[in-house]
Amino acid sequence: GAVVSQHPSRVICKSGTSVKIECRSLDFQATTMFWYRQFPKQSLMLMATSNEGSKATYEQGVEKDKFLINHASLTLSTLTVTSAHPEDSSFYICSARTGGGVINEQFFGPGTRLTVL
Amino acid sequence: DAKTTQPPSMDCAEGRAANLPCNHSTISGNEYVYWYRQIHSQGPQYIIHGLKNNETNEMASLIITEDRKSSTLILPHATLRDTAVYYCIVRVREYGGATNKLIFGTGTLLAVQP
Repeated sequence: GAVVSQHPSRVICKSGTSVKIECRSLDFQATTMFWYRQFPKQSLMLMATSNEGSKATYEQGVEKDKFLINHASLTLSTLTVTSAHPEDSSFYICSARTGGGVINEQFFGPGTRLTVL
Repeated sequence: DAKTTQPPSMDCAEGRAANLPCNHSTISGNEYVYWYRQIHSQGPQYIIHGLKNNETNEMASLIITEDRKSSTLILPHATLRDTAVYYCIVRVREYGGATNKLIFGTGTLLAVQP
């Protein structure tokens, strides 16, 4: 399957700081990328969908001003958690969807563990 | 709204077949059945998908009932490395559309025992 990478894999930050997470599709162009969040012992929750060159679409209850998403190219999307607080500590996972044509599949990155102190 | 129902957990002996059930009684005609798994602290891994015919690949087999209201994922010879949470998801496959997103339920925690 296609390869999706995330950086960093793990980050610890102080409360009030901002953290940027990168998601890259390594061997394909992804017109659409997705960001998920997963709390311990829970399932993945979709946060937002981003399309290259346009604004992200956020799921209900997700603050767009707190979770800034930029999808500047067909291989890179970034999620910035602004003014992070301990309750933002979570496992953040990105996913990229192959584009072009009618059929498309979705592949996931390895995740980023964010700990806010 | 949950579109699939899975048992929360299952055990399987190493080397035996693992059969993971999924109910999707409200599946639409253009929705596919997808299976992903998530090993602890990793991103989900695609396993297999199907529409109405049974499917097989190097990882697993997918058996879909004739009425498409349920399916079973089969891992033919489970190993300890197959211990993971297995997610059954239904979605349309065509590009675009609000229902094209992968929405995860609670999945089944498969524990392969030595």
